[in-house]
Amino acid sequence: DQQVKQNSPSLSVQEGRISILNCDYTNSMFDYFLWYKKYPAEGPTFLISISSIKDKNEDGRFTVFLNKSAKHLSLHIVPSQPGDSAVYFCAARGTGNQFYFGTGTSLTVIP
Amino acid sequence: KAGVTQTPRYLIKTRGQQVTLSCSPISGHRSVSWYQQTPGQGLQFLFEYFSETQRNKGNFPGRFSGRQFSNSRSEMNVSTLELGDSALYLCASSAAGGYGANVLTFGAGSRLTVL
Repeated sequence: DQQVKQNSPSLSVQEGRISILNCDYTNSMFDYFLWYKKYPAEGPTFLISISSIKDKNEDGRFTVFLNKSAKHLSLHIVPSQPGDSAVYFCAARGTGNQFYFGTGTSLTVIP
Repeated sequence: KAGVTQTPRYLIKTRGQQVTLSCSPISGHRSVSWYQQTPGQGLQFLFEYFSETQRNKGNFPGRFSGRQFSNSRSEMNVSTLELGDSALYLCASSAAGGYGANVLTFGAGSRLTVL
């Protein structure tokens, strides 16, 4: 049973525009959410996170929004750059320090 | 500071064989987790070790096992390999000793192909 879902397998965006990646979860006990970026032949690298007690966290071009009532989080990248092209995974931390990952969204930023 | 190191990076096995993968966490990190990545399935949690003890286990058959040594290095073993075990196996370490480990740092993975 997939507790963290990324329903869009892929997304294409023009350079300079906003990229919005979405993630839904089912477990209301998740207390911490993260986004990871993955390039081919590399492991995922941490991008940004948010605690369940917040609704927004910003780091440069990256902003994560959390809507607890909807069990939904999103990652906004503004402006998008070609180097942002990668697979993005959202993750949630459950009890016992176990992390649950989505299936990933492949972002392509078109120059 | 060295990152998470996984060996081997690539390996090919045949059905029925067994395989052992190794992971060296970031120095000072005591928690090591293992994930399996397959197309369309994202990262599936295998298990987590902390201070040589398995603290969490995912929903994988008993053919998948692991251990952690006193220096926090970890190994995972898959016995009686099946074609469906072909995947990228990722190891991740985290810093905090208790349940406050908020960020996983991943290695580059071990790509296993089962023929």
